Formats: sequence, structure tokens, C-alpha cells
Amino acid sequence: NAGVTQTPKFRILKIGQSMTLQCAQDMNHNYMYWYRQDPGMGLKLIYYSVGAGITDKGEVPNGYNVSRSTTEDFPLRLELAAPSQTSVYFCASKFDTEAFFGQGTRLTVV
Amino acid sequence: GENVEQHPSTLSVQEGDSAVIKCTYSDSASNYFPWYKQELGKRPQLIIDIRSNVGEKKDQRIAVTLNKTAKHFSLHITETQPEDSAVYFCAASSKSGNYGQNFVFGPGTRLSVLP
Repeated sequence: NAGVTQTPKFRILKIGQSMTLQCAQDMNHNYMYWYRQDPGMGLKLIYYSVGAGITDKGEVPNGYNVSRSTTEDFPLRLELAAPSQTSVYFCASKFDTEAFFGQGTRLTVV
Repeated sequence: GENVEQHPSTLSVQEGDSAVIKCTYSDSASNYFPWYKQELGKRPQLIIDIRSNVGEKKDQRIAVTLNKTAKHFSLHITETQPEDSAVYFCAASSKSGNYGQNFVFGPGTRLSVLP
């Protein structure tokens, strides 16, 4: 099992550009999450999904969108990137209790 | 919704000493409390967890205690080693929570083990 795989690992965006952060898991987990982690801070939930076709907002959803067309994939879309979205983004999945995290995507918006 | 506080924000200990990190939560419906370790530049990884029907759990040098009445739980690391240096996050989760059994994370504790 590869676990949770995120791509890309690093990305620099210009203000106003858009991009999609990819997340895939091969553990057949129903629950998937997107977090952002600002420097020296904890993890804030952006969006989550409890299964294919079902998504909902977390604590900090503004400026982001998600989709969950399959159990495996949970991409995060950034529209009109802003400097405030500079952060490290983690995708995670779980079945029951333990959450497994991807290796993160470090995004810089300049 | 759930709110998790964590103290201290930074902690330095001498190698071989013990380290204790404390968390409090607000939602009495929370029933699962994991601890994640995040090494510099790496992903968070689960190190130990405890359910609300248990008061204490140990795994080698680490242990977690839970006081449901006071709504707090703690991570204890004994005989600390340099490789224990990392940021530790506590979290609380409830099936009746707002975010699909999501974890609400504490802000983290940066532990430094000095040789």
C-alpha cells in the first residue's frame, strides 16, 4: 500500500492563478480531509468528505473547493490564489480512528 | 463545537528526563483522543491514542492519561531521547462532532531534547 499520496510536493503560484492539489489513498478509507498548516501553527480543517459524492466545509473553506468522485481521490482546488493561502497542505484519510497523512504540499503564493 | 487547548507551546528537557504535555477539550461528547508527532518537514504520524472508556494507556516510553470529568488528557514521555524532538499535537474527536468525525487539533508543542 502506498498510503496517502499528495502531488505536487512544492509549488509556487502567482497571485490570481489557480491550481489543484491532488490526493489519493489506496486504503479504501471513507473519510478524507484537507488541512492547512501555517508556520509554527496547528492543523486547520479546510474541507472533508465522508464518502464518494459527499463533501462539506471545515473551519477555513474560503478560497477552496473540493470534489470526491471516487473513494480514492480527493482533489483540492484553489481559485484565484492569494498570499494568505501560502501554507503547507496536508491530505489525510481514515476508516475508523487513526488518520493517515500524506507527505504534504508546500505552496507559496507570490 | 470542540475546542482543544494544549500546553506548553514549547518544552525543553535534558536527555533522559521526562516530558509532559497537557491538553484540555470542551466537548463532553468527544470520545477519542490521539496524539500525533510531526518531525521537521515531515507528515504528522500517530504515536498513541486513547478512547474515553480508558483512563490510561502505555506503549514503551510513552503513555497517555485521560480525565473525562475534568476534560483533560496528557502525554507522558519518559527517558527522553534526541529523536523525540518534534512537534506533538493532541486532538479530540467525536462521532457527533461538526466535521464528520474530524479531529480538532491542539496548536502543538515543540519538544526539544537537549543532549
